[in-house]
Amino acid sequence: EAQVTQNPRYLITVTGKKLTVTCSQNMNHEYMSWYRQDPGLGLRQIYYSMNVEVTDKGDVPEGYKVSRKEKRNFPLILESPSPNQTSLYFCASSLGVRGNQPQHFGDGTRLSIL
Amino acid sequence: AQTVTQSQPEMSVQEAETVTLSCTYDTSESDYYLFWYKQPPSRQMILVIRQEAYKQQNATENRFSVNFQKAAKSFSLKISDSQLGDAAMYFCAYRSHGTASKLTFGTGTRLQVTL
Repeated sequence: EAQVTQNPRYLITVTGKKLTVTCSQNMNHEYMSWYRQDPGLGLRQIYYSMNVEVTDKGDVPEGYKVSRKEKRNFPLILESPSPNQTSLYFCASSLGVRGNQPQHFGDGTRLSIL
Repeated sequence: AQTVTQSQPEMSVQEAETVTLSCTYDTSESDYYLFWYKQPPSRQMILVIRQEAYKQQNATENRFSVNFQKAAKSFSLKISDSQLGDAAMYFCAYRSHGTASKLTFGTGTRLQVTL
């Protein structure tokens, strides 16, 4: 089954403790992206990747890191999480990098930083 | 930068009735794509319908259709014969035609479906 898989689905942690949210897609998609969803703000892009070893900042990249060492994986890293990073996070992918390609979303990761 | 505005934070519709969700956007581009995503309580983001800006014909997917007014920069979603399973948050989104383009989302409209 074609899908985007995020782990974990839920995480409660404390300020400053490094964490990684994994994202994997099995559709051989070139484009991958991370979004965060906050009430009243919709979804905002954090980082995106057009292909292996090619990543770039989105609208709200501060406090986050990403890597794309393999085509299928695009982990989101919070080196020193803070409470303002408490949010619902989505990973998404699309076959190509052009705008006409619909994005497929993972099921989301709820992060709570205490 | 592009912006997407959904001016209705909440809407309500009775089962079997029709409801229209509004979306406007601001862009200086001529070629782009518009999407409606549905987010049920399960939190999944489900693509409902999409529209290419170069197409004049409004997109339709079963009970879902759009009214795309390019000059007015308006992209409303009409849900016909509403069902209880349509209750969700609905997001309008914009994506440029070019490479590496992100999705720009509106703030969402929460749709309630009542009996």
